[in-house]
Amino acid sequence: DAGVTQSPTHLIKTRGQQVTLRCSPISGHKSVSWYQQVLGQGPQFIFQYYEKEERGRGNFPDRFSARQFPNYSSELNVNALLLGDSALYLCASSLHGEGVYEQFFGPGTRLTVL
Amino acid sequence: AQRVTQPEKLLSVFKGAPVELKCNYSYSGSPELFWYVQYSRQRLQLLLRHISRESIKGFTADLNKGETSFHLKKPFAQEEDSAMYYCALSAMNRDDKIIFGKGTRLHILP
Repeated sequence: DAGVTQSPTHLIKTRGQQVTLRCSPISGHKSVSWYQQVLGQGPQFIFQYYEKEERGRGNFPDRFSARQFPNYSSELNVNALLLGDSALYLCASSLHGEGVYEQFFGPGTRLTVL
Repeated sequence: AQRVTQPEKLLSVFKGAPVELKCNYSYSGSPELFWYVQYSRQRLQLLLRHISRESIKGFTADLNKGETSFHLKKPFAQEEDSAMYYCALSAMNRDDKIIFGKGTRLHILP
């Protein structure tokens, strides 16, 4: 198993555009979480999905949305991009949706907004 | 509100010297505490969690509820310990939301 995979690796967008980031969890994992990591900061929680339902949402505007598919992969969408959305977006998967399970992180997608 | 504080952005330690990375947290309930590590050009990975009470790569961390701390310690630093270390908190029996600190870069000097 390659572990958690994310695509694309890098992305450059301009202000006002929309972006979709993709994540494939480890085989057998049913929970996917998304984090935003701005340079010099720790990852900040955006969303968690478990069994295709949203289980948690961080303090992010409605421009951020996500979904989980029947195969447990997930997409993160960001509309009306702002310069401040430039960050590394991390996806993490775990077996279940409860906090006691270890999360496994992907390599991230580096988003640059110009 | 949940909060994790890592007071040091950078910690430089000589090889063979003891290491202590500080972490303090704020949470009203019973949290689960973690240390995550990111080595150069690798992905973020779990180092250890307080509930397991393990020693991983010579590192240990004890949860001190009185001082709300979860400091990471190693008696003898090795060059391969150089990495970015994040302390993190999760509320027990809830979703997978994890609150991360800002991280401490550990630099082991030869």
